Amino acid sequence: QSVLTQPPSASGTPGQGVTISCSGSNSNIGNSYVSWYQQLPGTAPKLLIYRDSQRPSGVPDRFSGSKSGTSASLDISGLRSEDEAAYYCAAWDGSLSGVLFGGGTRLTVL
Amino acid sequence: QVQLQESGPGLVKPSQTLSLTCTVSGASISSGDYYWSWIRQPAGKGLEWIGRVFSSGSTNYNPSLASRVSISLDTSNNRFYLHLTSVTAADTAVYYCARDILFMFDPWGQGTLVTVSS
Repeated sequence: QSVLTQPPSASGTPGQGVTISCSGSNSNIGNSYVSWYQQLPGTAPKLLIYRDSQRPSGVPDRFSGSKSGTSASLDISGLRSEDEAAYYCAAWDGSLSGVLFGGGTRLTVL
Repeated sequence: QVQLQESGPGLVKPSQTLSLTCTVSGASISSGDYYWSWIRQPAGKGLEWIGRVFSSGSTNYNPSLASRVSISLDTSNNRFYLHLTSVTAADTAVYYCARDILFMFDPWGQGTLVTVSS
């Protein structure tokens, strides 16, 4: 079981917005940057957000990240069918001395 | 443009050692700027960080795998390696290599499936 907790699924209709949460503790999210990854079916994960809220070049501004205390969130606005994917959060855990990934959230665009 | 490519046997027998290579192009692994990580994903499941190596050769490993894992560099060929000993069926997964910039993984290789079976 992942120490970073994500909802297993989320859904929305095209054009809507959706928020995916990632809950941790002071040993990880509370004291470390969070990154988010998008994994389209059958492909490798791709960096979506780094340092809690920064977007790499090429990532649409429909994707945004935020963090408060020991929780982080990924917001996706203006949902498109191509956003249908699994989304993972990640953070360093100082107690474990290792990187943790959330269990992943499978987003369905209805 | 940095690219990573995993390679290695797709089938490993139980109790044997899993060995994979990640070949990096577009960046020098001997540069002091980055770590280089291995991450795996069992079929239908989530991601698990295995460990990483710095340009100096220093390493960090997932505590749950540390007793069985070794990651090393080959700077002359711009590659890094993963060795996982005493494998079981639970080690069957797609294995990815990735550049690690302070726990931010970008880019990733395409992944290679390793099946542990007799």
